[in-house]
Amino acid sequence: EAQVTQNPRYLITVTGKKLTVTCSQNMNHEYMSWYRQDPGLGLRQIYYSMNVEVTDKGDVPEGYKVSRKEKRNFPLILESPSPNQTSLYFCASSLSSARRTYEQYFGPGTRLTVT
Amino acid sequence: AQKVTQAQTEISVVEKEDVTLDCVYETRDTTYYLFWYKQPPSGELVFLIRRNSFDEQNEISGRYSWNFQKSTSSFNFTITASQVVDSAVYFCALRLAGGTSYGKLTFGQGTILTVHP
Repeated sequence: EAQVTQNPRYLITVTGKKLTVTCSQNMNHEYMSWYRQDPGLGLRQIYYSMNVEVTDKGDVPEGYKVSRKEKRNFPLILESPSPNQTSLYFCASSLSSARRTYEQYFGPGTRLTVT
Repeated sequence: AQKVTQAQTEISVVEKEDVTLDCVYETRDTTYYLFWYKQPPSGELVFLIRRNSFDEQNEISGRYSWNFQKSTSSFNFTITASQVVDSAVYFCALRLAGGTSYGKLTFGQGTILTVHP
């Protein structure tokens, strides 16, 4: 089954304790992206990757890191989480082309609480 | 920088009513894509439609229809004869089609639609 998986689905952590949210897709998609969803703000893009070893900042990259060493995986790293990073996080992937764009497939979401 | 505005934060209708969700976007680029996504209470994001900036034809899919008007930078979504299962948060989104930022996707704030039986 074609899908985007995220782990963990729920996480409660404390300020300053490094954490990683994993994202994996099995559709051989070049493009992957991370978003956070907050009430009244919609989804905001954190980072995206056009292909392996190619990443770029979205609209809200502060406090986050990403890496794309393999095509299927795109982990989101919070080196020192803070309470304002409490949010619902989505990973997404799609085919990619400079000439056209494709719909994104989203993971199920990760609800992160930082106390 | 691009921007997407969904001015309607919440809409409440009674089943079988028609409802239109507004989406207004801003971009200086001439080539871009517009999307609508649905987020039901279960939380997942479901793709509904993609429209590119060169195609202003309206589209109908069952009870759903979309009205793209480049002149007013709007991409509105209408649900005809709404049903309780249409209750969800709906997001409009914009993605550029070229340049160095074509990986960026900008979402609107979302509209919460509640359909009462």
